[in-house]
Amino acid sequence: DTEVTQTPKHLVMGMTNKKSLKCEQHMGHRAMYWYKQKAKKPPELMFVYSYEKLSINESVPSRFSPECPNSSLLNLHLHALQPEDSALYLCASSQPSTGRIAEAFFGQGTRLTVV
Amino acid sequence: QKEVEQNSGPLSVPEGAIASLNCTYSDRGSQSFFWYRQYSGKSPELIMFIYSNGDKEDGRFTAQLNKASQYVSLLIRDSQPSDSATYLCAVNNAGNMLTFGGGTRLMVKP
Repeated sequence: DTEVTQTPKHLVMGMTNKKSLKCEQHMGHRAMYWYKQKAKKPPELMFVYSYEKLSINESVPSRFSPECPNSSLLNLHLHALQPEDSALYLCASSQPSTGRIAEAFFGQGTRLTVV
Repeated sequence: QKEVEQNSGPLSVPEGAIASLNCTYSDRGSQSFFWYRQYSGKSPELIMFIYSNGDKEDGRFTAQLNKASQYVSLLIRDSQPSDSATYLCAVNNAGNMLTFGGGTRLMVKP
């Protein structure tokens, strides 16, 4: 099973709303990622969790707040977003490995629209 | 700045032909290389990975890696219209971090 499940698939939120994106995997992977992808652009890394600890934060604005409650779950809390934050948000997971990265598998993404 | 470069395309090939997709990277310390396929509006799907110099074949796909030239490629034999998608090259620079190229749009014409 190489499935990463993201919910919701689509989300429309106002600039004053608070919402959360959820990601779940049961492959035993201990590295999980959030990426943001705008149309016709490659995925941009936002956050990396390794063994449930935040290891990389790519200078993401504080209106995005990640959380890794356990080894299977990854959340992205959203607050006071701007219309330019509208994008496809992708979760991925992999098995961390010294010196190289094991294959990363992506969820289906959450299409976020900020109005 | 650690970069991964791809020709944006579109690369147009006739059905049944070989499609050749190329990627260069700037960080000589990169150790792992991945090819993802992404259909419009969908998430990236891993199709190949390669760690060692040389060729790696999986069905109609062959990944080629040349670390001396900092070059990785993907060959798709007997291209089908269903192969039409954007192909993303990704490189592991350090730790658990993938850097993506801009992607090459492939169009396979019947």
